[in-house]
Amino acid sequence: SAVISQKPSRDICQRGTSLTIQCQVDSQVTMMFWYRQQPGQSLTLIATANQGSEATYESGFVIDKFPISRPNLTFSTLTVSNMSPEDSSIYLCSARSGGYEQYFGPGTRLTVT
Amino acid sequence: GQQLNQSPQSMFIQEGEDVSMNCTSSSIFNTWLWYKQEPGEGPVLLIALYKAGELTSNGRLTAQFGITRKDSFLNISASIPSDVGIYFCAGQGNQGGKLIFGQGTELSVKP
Repeated sequence: SAVISQKPSRDICQRGTSLTIQCQVDSQVTMMFWYRQQPGQSLTLIATANQGSEATYESGFVIDKFPISRPNLTFSTLTVSNMSPEDSSIYLCSARSGGYEQYFGPGTRLTVT
Repeated sequence: GQQLNQSPQSMFIQEGEDVSMNCTSSSIFNTWLWYKQEPGEGPVLLIALYKAGELTSNGRLTAQFGITRKDSFLNISASIPSDVGIYFCAGQGNQGGKLIFGQGTELSVKP
């Protein structure tokens, strides 16, 4: 299994600003992902973070709004840019190592005022 | 695209009762995963299923990979208050390796 930590755990931000969320995995993993979870809802995949290359974004998510970095096999960042209240959500980092089991971090709870 | 239908949406049960929830898909999956999410936490992997017909247990939890590869169910026996949370199924098909999530089943257990 993989143990995933995220920073910050929560934040309250003003509209128009940007927040960068960090994700650290305790071991090297093949794939890392970023999800968004609205209150009371299921998980929505934002993008797959690719090591050393541009992330692969899902429909409805764009790089200008959610730039992602993955400089190595254990670390990734997600930036939520030019935030609006609609961006208030839980952002979850996830990782998969080798097989099909996928693990999640504790999430970052973002409130935009 | 692939979609998962998870039911029931919520359950209110008495401590000690057994619980059953399921997920169905319109297309085939190669892997089924079951997660539990408690308030303020990320989803925690409970059980992973890799073969059609596979039946796997984790303590009081038992999950099965449907023979048709289009469904899976999760049973919890003798529920206890700490079973409270939202349970998600997730399936992985042939394309791109992405997990597709169900809508979740919110479980409440009355002591």
